[in-house]
Amino acid sequence: RKEVEQDPGPFNVPEGATVAFNCTYSNSASQSFFWYRQDCRKEPKLLMSVYSSGNEDGRFTAQLNRASQYISLLIRDSKLSDSATYLCVVTHTGNQFYFGTGTSLTVIP
Amino acid sequence: DAMVIQNPRYQVTQFGKPVTLSCSQTLNHNVMYWYQQKSSQAPKLLFHYYDKDFNNEADTPDNFQSRRPNTSFCFLDIRSPGLGDAAMYLCATSRDRQETQYFGPGTRLLVL
Repeated sequence: RKEVEQDPGPFNVPEGATVAFNCTYSNSASQSFFWYRQDCRKEPKLLMSVYSSGNEDGRFTAQLNRASQYISLLIRDSKLSDSATYLCVVTHTGNQFYFGTGTSLTVIP
Repeated sequence: DAMVIQNPRYQVTQFGKPVTLSCSQTLNHNVMYWYQQKSSQAPKLLFHYYDKDFNNEADTPDNFQSRRPNTSFCFLDIRSPGLGDAAMYLCATSRDRQETQYFGPGTRLLVL
């Protein structure tokens, strides 16, 4: 079983829509959780860390459900500039970041 | 200002011809990582340095080596590139283990 699994999409949504991505992880001892954004042919960039209590940054809300071992990312009022691949990242003991394969989002005018 | 710098941004090499990719950082982070990313795939960790301590992933081919002469610089050496090694190579740094990783812009390697 993969460490991190994501629905690859693609998600095609109109501008202004709300879209949600989920990511499941297999190791219950996982400790840190992140969402990264990667534009085509560019490097991943940190979008937000995910905290146990959930956290929000503008139009973006991240949540963690340890019992069910998933994290989610909600994007409200989608903009054209939100089009990218969203990578879920999980760490546990040791040093490795475990990346999901990413969820592709295209926001359509 | 760029914090993680990779050179070159694009590298073309011939099959079997050694190539070195470089990464430097201005963050003074303890940990430096090298990832390989192929199209539509997740970044795959090749190895990392925690300070001077080298950590190789079990499935990283022997063809890939790394050097970290000081805190700021880290190199990826591909001794005999094959066609399957064509990919984006990403360098990342973090202050400590399990902390946020910051990525450089990557070097796109093409093997002819």
